[in-house]
Amino acid sequence: NAGVTQTPKFQVLKTGQSMTLQCAQDMNHEYMSWYRQDPGMGLRLIHYSVGAGITDQGEVPNGYNVSRSTTEDFPLRLLSAAPSQTSVYFCASRDTGGRQPQHFGDGTRLSIL
Amino acid sequence: EDKVVQSPLSLVVHEGDTVTLNCSYEVTNFRSLLWYKQEKKAPTFLFMLTSSGIEKKSGRLSSILDKKELSSILNITATQTGDSAIYLCAVLWAGNNRKLIWGLGTSLAVNP
Repeated sequence: NAGVTQTPKFQVLKTGQSMTLQCAQDMNHEYMSWYRQDPGMGLRLIHYSVGAGITDQGEVPNGYNVSRSTTEDFPLRLLSAAPSQTSVYFCASRDTGGRQPQHFGDGTRLSIL
Repeated sequence: EDKVVQSPLSLVVHEGDTVTLNCSYEVTNFRSLLWYKQEKKAPTFLFMLTSSGIEKKSGRLSSILDKKELSSILNITATQTGDSAIYLCAVLWAGNNRKLIWGLGTSLAVNP
C-alpha cells in the first residue's frame, strides 16, 4: 500500500526556473491538497482539489499552478521560481467527507537560489 | 476568522515525565479534530475526535475533546526520547470545501 507518493524528495532551482512536483495517491481519495511548511508558519494550504477536473486556491496560491486530470495525480507547478518559495512541500489526500484522516506524502525539500 | 491555537509552542521534559498538550479552536462549522505527530518527515496521524468526552487511546498517548470548551488535550505518559517531535492539531471544517485548519504545533523535546 503506497499511500501518497511525492517526487522528487529534494530539488535545487535557480531563480526563474520552472518545475513540477509530482504527487500520486492510490487510495481513491477525492480530496487532494498541497501545503508548504516554513519555520514558525505552520502548514499553509497552496491549492486543493475535491475531484478530477476541479481545483481551487488555498491560502498562498500565488506563483503556483495545479491540475487534476485523474483521481490519482495532482501535480504542483512552480511557474517562475523565487527564493521566497524555498520551503518543504507536502502533498496530502483524504476522503471528501472527512470520515478518515488525511494522509501525507514524505515531502519535497525545495531550495531556490 | 476560524483559527486553531496550540499551547505551549515548545516544551522540554525528561524521560518518564507526563506531558499535556493543548489545542483550542474557534471554528464556525466544526466536524472533527485531528492530532498528528511530525518528526523529520511528514505528519503522521494519531487521533481523530468527533464526540466530546470520549477518550481515544493508543499506548502511552491519549486524547479527548471538549466541545463545550472548544478544546482538546493530548496526553503522553512515561515519555521517551522517541516522543520528541512536533505535535500538530487540526480542525476539519464542515463546510463545502471541507478545509483543514491547522495550529502551529507544539515542539516537544524529551531529554534522556
